[in-house]
Amino acid sequence: DAMVIQNPRYQVTQFGKPVTLSCSQTLNHNVMYWYQQKSSQAPKLLFHYYDKDFNNEADTPDNFQSRRPNTSFCFLDIRSPGLGDAAMYLCATSREREPLDGYTFGSGTRLTVV
Amino acid sequence: GESVGLHLPTLSVQEGDNSIINCAYSNSASDYFIWYKQESGKGPQFIIDIRSNMDKRQGQRVTVLLNKTVKHLSLQIAATQPGDSAVYFCAESALNRDDKIIFGKGTRLHILP
Repeated sequence: DAMVIQNPRYQVTQFGKPVTLSCSQTLNHNVMYWYQQKSSQAPKLLFHYYDKDFNNEADTPDNFQSRRPNTSFCFLDIRSPGLGDAAMYLCATSREREPLDGYTFGSGTRLTVV
Repeated sequence: GESVGLHLPTLSVQEGDNSIINCAYSNSASDYFIWYKQESGKGPQFIIDIRSNMDKRQGQRVTVLLNKTVKHLSLQIAATQPGDSAVYFCAESALNRDDKIIFGKGTRLHILP
């Protein structure tokens, strides 16, 4: 089935140790998004790629970076994770910027920082 | 800043009754609205959407109502079932914000036996 796959489901990293979360999609969608969702809160958009065009939200910390080497894959890099970065990280895709039928979300990666 | 929010953080409903989850939004330029369901440990799942040129849309057991005058959105779930237990988010997008989907705070729906 076409879908958005996030690996791993659970990631534990040490304070200050760089970590990378991955997302892949078989939908051939042009747009890929990364959201951060802290406990009992709404998902918060960090950035998105429209094809190879990177778009950062104004309040996304510099500690967060993203790479999209091809249409199918997108990575979230956290350069120096702090305790406050512990959250669920959600990847989503959309065929075009206009969100017809919303976005398709992956199951998320839950990041723990120790 | 502008945001999408919900009136009630939790809602408890008897199994078989109808559920109504409410949402207020503040961006008058919002033109597309979505309701998502999120179960524990999973990503948000699309339920139903509505565009600003409509005031009502129905799906299977769900209805979304949009009142642009007071910037209010609601989700009605008919004959609530145990499987409806989840957190429900309203979300919106606007052309003047590059159509990015912005989420509200969420309402947890508890189904009472």
